[in-house]
Amino acid sequence: DGGITQSPKYLFRKEGQNVTLSCEQNLNHDAMYWYRQDPGQGLRLIYYSQIVNDFQKGDIAEGYSVSREKKESFPLTVTSAQKNPTAFYLCASRGTGTTNEKLFFGSGTQLSVL
Amino acid sequence: ILNVEQSPQSLHVQEGDSTNFTCSFPSSNFYALHWYRWETAKSPEALFVMTLNGDEKKKGRISATLNTKEGYSYLYIKGSQPEDSATYLCASISNFGNEKLTFGTGTRLTIIP
Repeated sequence: DGGITQSPKYLFRKEGQNVTLSCEQNLNHDAMYWYRQDPGQGLRLIYYSQIVNDFQKGDIAEGYSVSREKKESFPLTVTSAQKNPTAFYLCASRGTGTTNEKLFFGSGTQLSVL
Repeated sequence: ILNVEQSPQSLHVQEGDSTNFTCSFPSSNFYALHWYRWETAKSPEALFVMTLNGDEKKKGRISATLNTKEGYSYLYIKGSQPEDSATYLCASISNFGNEKLTFGTGTRLTIIP
């Protein structure tokens, strides 16, 4: 079945450690996104990519890094520079063929700090 | 309006009643407006993608309108059912060719049986 897969579902980070969240899609979508959700807040955009080998910073990119080496994959690394990484992370993808393309979301990764 | 804003933040509605809530977005360089429903323990799912001023879309008991000149969209739910309980998110895209979607904080809807 076509869809978007995030892993792991739960992730724990130690102080000073970098961790990578996986996002894979088989929908042949050009655009991919990473959002962060904190309790009581909306989805905030971390990074997005419109095409392979290109990506743009969102509203809260500091302390995060991404890569887009393949169309299907858009991993997010939470670096040690991100001082408040505990949050729920959602990955999404979207086709760009028409103006009416909607987002498809993964099931999310809950990241916690040990 | 610089950000996408949604109101109210939360809402309790009696089963069978109708309800509506608002999404405000920057009207300059408007490109598209999305509505999503996010049920607990599930992934957000798209309800509508709207692009034209005056557009109205409907999906069962849920409908949405769009005013791009004044920068707002309304989501209506007719005859609320318990399965309508969810957080409703809107997101806007500004500028053609820029795929950045900015979300509002959502309206959390609880239907009281």
